[in-house]
Amino acid sequence: QVQLQQWGAGLLKPSETLSLTCAVSGVSFSTYYWSWIRQSPGKGLEWIGEINHIGDTNYNPSLRSRVTMSVDTSKNQFSLKLYSVTAADTAIYYCAAGQVWLVTWGQGTLVSVSS
Amino acid sequence: DIQMTQSPSSLSASVGDRVTIACRASQTVSAYLNWYQLKPGKAPKILIHAVSSLQSGVPSRFSGSGSGSGTDFTLTISSLQPEDSATYYCQQTYSIPRTFGQGTKVEIK
Repeated sequence: QVQLQQWGAGLLKPSETLSLTCAVSGVSFSTYYWSWIRQSPGKGLEWIGEINHIGDTNYNPSLRSRVTMSVDTSKNQFSLKLYSVTAADTAIYYCAAGQVWLVTWGQGTLVSVSS
Repeated sequence: DIQMTQSPSSLSASVGDRVTIACRASQTVSAYLNWYQLKPGKAPKILIHAVSSLQSGVPSRFSGSGSGSGTDFTLTISSLQPEDSATYYCQQTYSIPRTFGQGTKVEIK
């Protein structure tokens, strides 16, 4: 059974880089695509993008210019970087396993952007 | 982008009631339609994938259906339980970007 444990900085200033990592256990890292989703305060869910074990990515076009996803297969981890953050990037960020459907989600990391 | 529209945005029902949540796509998503349950402070949970396939471990009171058009879908809770108080989201994975509905908040009377 796949389990996800995520972490990263929770408080950023405008223009800084958001950096989150998600560790995978309980399943082969090559089994799934690995996804990132966010939920802004009082709003719905926004898909950020997905990556597979060999680094193939699909990004949300609305964020593509500021997003990089990567994998570390030696550690069974995948990561998200979002550059030049603003207050609009304040959200709970989730990692998840899956592409056609999101089988398991991480517990979420609240990231606040404030000067 | 494919727009996903849920209705209603919120509802209040009693324990034992049958609850129905609708999700409409702005264009066909074929059978690439999923439903999730979100509760504050908890990891979101997949309920239904591919329109009507119940995820393992999810109670059978949850069911999903589609009209066959690839644009209209329904999540049904056959007998609402207290632990079903949550926000429910549909999601299409037919195309990039994978988009979600705006959510339906279900409260227990």
